[in-house]
Amino acid sequence: LAKTTQPISMDSYEGQEVNITCSHNNIATNDYITWYQQFPSQGPRFIIQGYKTKVTNEVASLFIPADRKSSTLSLPRVSLSDTAVYYCLVVTSDNYGQNFVFGPGTRLSVLP
Amino acid sequence: DADVTQTPRNRITKTGKRIMLECSQTKGHDRMYWYRQDPGLGLRLIYYSFDVKDINKGEISDGYSVSRQAQAKFSLSLESAIPNQTALYFCATSQGWETQYFGPGTRLLVL
Repeated sequence: LAKTTQPISMDSYEGQEVNITCSHNNIATNDYITWYQQFPSQGPRFIIQGYKTKVTNEVASLFIPADRKSSTLSLPRVSLSDTAVYYCLVVTSDNYGQNFVFGPGTRLSVLP
Repeated sequence: DADVTQTPRNRITKTGKRIMLECSQTKGHDRMYWYRQDPGLGLRLIYYSFDVKDINKGEISDGYSVSRQAQAKFSLSLESAIPNQTALYFCATSQGWETQYFGPGTRLLVL
């Protein structure tokens, strides 16, 4: 079963690029990596998903090295509204079925 | 996401009581999930269902049961609630391995 770790918190200033790394040392070959954003009193919201190398969408980029033991969510030019908790999710699949393992979350505070 | 609704939104109950949390979705997804969230622990999977006839245990299924009444409905039951089941509970849906869409959550307090 994949285990994931993330920094507990990070601070940044408006306009800066923020990189949040998730470690998933025993990720399996077929596992996907997904990142979610959560605001207080709301459910998590999808940001980006990847399997290897680099994925980019309109809000973020996801970098996955060749060994896939970590992944880095990159938020370009953050604003105050990006203050939230960010979770990585690893979806594993084995002979017993699937499991969905969230990291503990990284609380990002964006300062003016 | 308004397409995934959870009832009740808040609930206080006593130890030993049976309680049911309900989830409905209008996205037409086959897959539904129940998670619990505790401070500092992120979200942990309780049960998931890939279709009406499919129910699977997640990481922390002990003390919980589920029922998939229809494609759009997935309920979570605590047969005999205990205080350490106090948490925030989320339902989610997905189509395949793609994005999971989460409901607004149910805050449960067990006294």
